[in-house]
Amino acid sequence: SYVLTQPPSVSVAPGKTASIPCGGNNIGSKGVNWYQQKPDQAPVLVIYYNTDRPSGIPERISGSYSGNAATLTISRVEAGDEADYYCQVWDSSTNHLIFGGGTKLTVL
Amino acid sequence: EVQLVESGGGLVEPGKSLTLSCAASGFTFKNAWMSWVRQAPGKGLEWVGRIKAKSAGGTTDYAAPVRARFAISRDDSKDTLYLHMSSLKTDDTAVYYCTTVYGGSYCLDYWGLGTLVTVSS
Repeated sequence: SYVLTQPPSVSVAPGKTASIPCGGNNIGSKGVNWYQQKPDQAPVLVIYYNTDRPSGIPERISGSYSGNAATLTISRVEAGDEADYYCQVWDSSTNHLIFGGGTKLTVL
Repeated sequence: EVQLVESGGGLVEPGKSLTLSCAASGFTFKNAWMSWVRQAPGKGLEWVGRIKAKSAGGTTDYAAPVRARFAISRDDSKDTLYLHMSSLKTDDTAVYYCTTVYGGSYCLDYWGLGTLVTVSS
């Protein structure tokens, strides 16, 4: 079955850039979606189809991909960006929706 | 404004059944593909299953851990999505979220606040 791999944690200082990776076989061809989940809140879609931003999501949040890795990048990190971030794809070979294990972003 | 409101959660004994509901508003429900996602306490997100719009066949797909025990249905006349859960196990304890499904990348663009299901004796 298809697997998405994320590091458990990433730390970044305020004002710097955070990069959260998500690994999977030929991941970009599947269209990666990213979610932000703050404590005790429902997840929020922040990037869809690899690079697109839903309305209301700031431009400093972006997505990219290359080969077997996708990356969520948050520029000019703020304290309010501290959250868990999940990548997600649809595996059409099994008709299953797959989540990565999630990455906790800590703002130092 | 899109709203998804889950209900029906609570404490249930192992082996019993429970049905969750998700009341939708702010969009044309009958055209929407819908999904359930759960999150065990302190754990990550886990997809439960998806139902297509009736215009697309209304078919369902499920994650392996629940395939034989859970069923998703919809009542388009009531703009409501359901998750019928049977033979519940302690591992099914989680917050259950109702979501819309959008686009070729199957993104989950709107989420409800979730409802907590606790399976315990």
